Amino acid sequence: AQKVTQAQTEISVVEKEDVTLDCVYETRDTTYYLFWYKQPPSGELVFLIRRNSFDEQNEISGRYSWNFQKSTSSFNFTITASQVVDSAVYFCALSERDSSYKLIFGSGTRLLVRP
Amino acid sequence: KAGVTQTPRYLIKTRGQQVTLSCSPISGHRSVSWYQQTPGQGLQFLFEYFSETQRNKGNFPGRFSGRQFSNSRSEMNVSTLELGDSALYLCASSLVAARGVGELFFGEGSRLTVL
Repeated sequence: AQKVTQAQTEISVVEKEDVTLDCVYETRDTTYYLFWYKQPPSGELVFLIRRNSFDEQNEISGRYSWNFQKSTSSFNFTITASQVVDSAVYFCALSERDSSYKLIFGSGTRLLVRP
Repeated sequence: KAGVTQTPRYLIKTRGQQVTLSCSPISGHRSVSWYQQTPGQGLQFLFEYFSETQRNKGNFPGRFSGRQFSNSRSEMNVSTLELGDSALYLCASSLVAARGVGELFFGEGSRLTVL
């Protein structure tokens, strides 16, 4: 069965520190998609990135970077030089199977960036 | 470009009543999904619609139903409300990719409180 684990419930850092959010997933499918979403206090889930199982290239987008490793079933997310505006709950998610829009979400990691 | 719009944003109902929530997807998006978010269960998939057809359904009782109209707008209905139905209900829309899973864009949600 598909499962997403975010072991870090809450992380607190001081502004400008780097922070890594961990995500470990389980699936028997060979084709799948992984996502990261950010949920600020307003409630809306903001899309950050989508990765398919065929593409293990790591990606950097501004202060954000993602490390996808199939060998360890991990899809970790790093924020460099964190800012107060990064404070939010971050969710990792897995599509149930290829071409399925049913996402399995992790329990989320609450990030607090203190000034 | 307008995002996903959900109405109402907040509502209070009493046990036994029913409720209808509405979702207008991003223009051009034909897939609409619904998720329930609670502190205890996290984010859980309810159902997904594409071209007025339900393609996928989560593990929720029959009291939860939905539909999609020809303009891709979607509604979900919960009948005979229970206290445990209190939650944030999130709608997501997506372009349907020729293959694989596209990006899902979420609305700000409808927060339902059942008294």
